Amino acid sequence: GESVGLHLPTLSVQEGDNSIINCAYSNSASDYFIWYKQESGKGPQFIIDIRSNMDKRQGQRVTVLLNKTVKHLSLQIAATQPGDSAVYFCAENSGGYQKVTFGTGTKLQVIP
Amino acid sequence: ETGVTQTPRHLVMGMTNKKSLKCEQHLGHNAMYWYKQSAKKPLELMFVYNFKEQTENNSVPSRFSPECPNSSHLFLHLHTLQPEDSALYLCASSQEIGNTGELFFGEGSRLTVL
Repeated sequence: GESVGLHLPTLSVQEGDNSIINCAYSNSASDYFIWYKQESGKGPQFIIDIRSNMDKRQGQRVTVLLNKTVKHLSLQIAATQPGDSAVYFCAENSGGYQKVTFGTGTKLQVIP
Repeated sequence: ETGVTQTPRHLVMGMTNKKSLKCEQHLGHNAMYWYKQSAKKPLELMFVYNFKEQTENNSVPSRFSPECPNSSHLFLHLHTLQPEDSALYLCASSQEIGNTGELFFGEGSRLTVL
């Protein structure tokens, strides 16, 4: 079946460095790809999304890159801070109606 | 504060109990969702409601019974659950069906089935 998966379960990054979280997807029909952040004890929180006809989108300290050729999605966090420590999920929305499929998540640990 | 409130935050129940989870959103959204989050598994979509009408039932066992009396409230009624149903149950809302995928989640109800 269609799936959204993550390459690495955990990522440790020094405070101030840039973080890159990767994701592979298999559903070529997805209209949007989304990144969520989930802090301990909280629900997932929307970070940024990218439409399937785009290659790159930037937000505040975050950039999402989409490579449709290899079905790869990445989230780049600039100048990683302790508050960025969380589990990050990539997700996809096939459009038509709201059926967002989530990956398993990558835990980002920021080392002070 | 996400605008989506779930109660209770923690629930312990036996397999023969009947309990309910409640979700309320203050965002004026039209769509509401129940997701199940188990350890080391992706979030699983359970139910979707749009304008109070159920539009998705993702092959969820009948021991889970959703109810959506209006666009702001969503319930998940639980009865004769199994220990493997222990998980974090997340409620979410969104502006409308078919948008980009931006969901607003509550903090979840942690369910333990003994």
